[in-house]
Amino acid sequence: RKEVEQDPGPFNVPEGATVAFNCTYSNSASQSFFWYRQDCRKEPKLLMSVYSSGNEDGRFTAQLNRASQYISLLIRDSKLSDSATYLCVVNIFGDYKLSFGAGTTVTVRA
Amino acid sequence: DVKVTQSSRYLVKRTGEKVFLECVQDMDHENMFWYRQDPGLGLRLIYFSYDVKMKEKGDIPEGYSVSREKKERFSLILESASTNQTSMYLCASSPLGSNGYTFGSGTRLTVV
Repeated sequence: RKEVEQDPGPFNVPEGATVAFNCTYSNSASQSFFWYRQDCRKEPKLLMSVYSSGNEDGRFTAQLNRASQYISLLIRDSKLSDSATYLCVVNIFGDYKLSFGAGTTVTVRA
Repeated sequence: DVKVTQSSRYLVKRTGEKVFLECVQDMDHENMFWYRQDPGLGLRLIYFSYDVKMKEKGDIPEGYSVSREKKERFSLILESASTNQTSMYLCASSPLGSNGYTFGSGTRLTVV
């Protein structure tokens, strides 16, 4: 079983729509959680960290559910520039490295 | 602007060649990582290093080795390139105690 699993999508949404997707993680010792964004043929870049209480960054809202071992990302008022692959990333307590999901592709159309 | 620089953007090598992928960071980060990224599989960790001359195997180290002689430089070596090592290779670094990775722009390696 993969450590981090995501629905690959693609999620095709019109501009202005809300889109949400989840990822699940298998290791209950996971401590830190992130969403990275990766544009086509570019490197991943940190979008936001995910905190236990949930957090917002502008139009982006991240939630963590430790009991069910999933995190979610919601994008409100989608823009064309939000088209990207969103990587769910997890860190296990005491570990140097991050574990990446395969990504969820979002395409926002005009 | 802080950076992780990978020496080549695109590389084509022949089967059996020894291949060197170089990564340099200018942020004085302790941790450095090599990942490969393949469609549907996501990023998989090959090797990482948390200090000069220190290295740890990741999830898929077979067929690879690494070298970290200086803090800023982390090299990935394919001892004898094979076609199944055709992939996008991403280097990343992070400071000690942080999960904040900075990635290089990647090297797309094709082995023919």
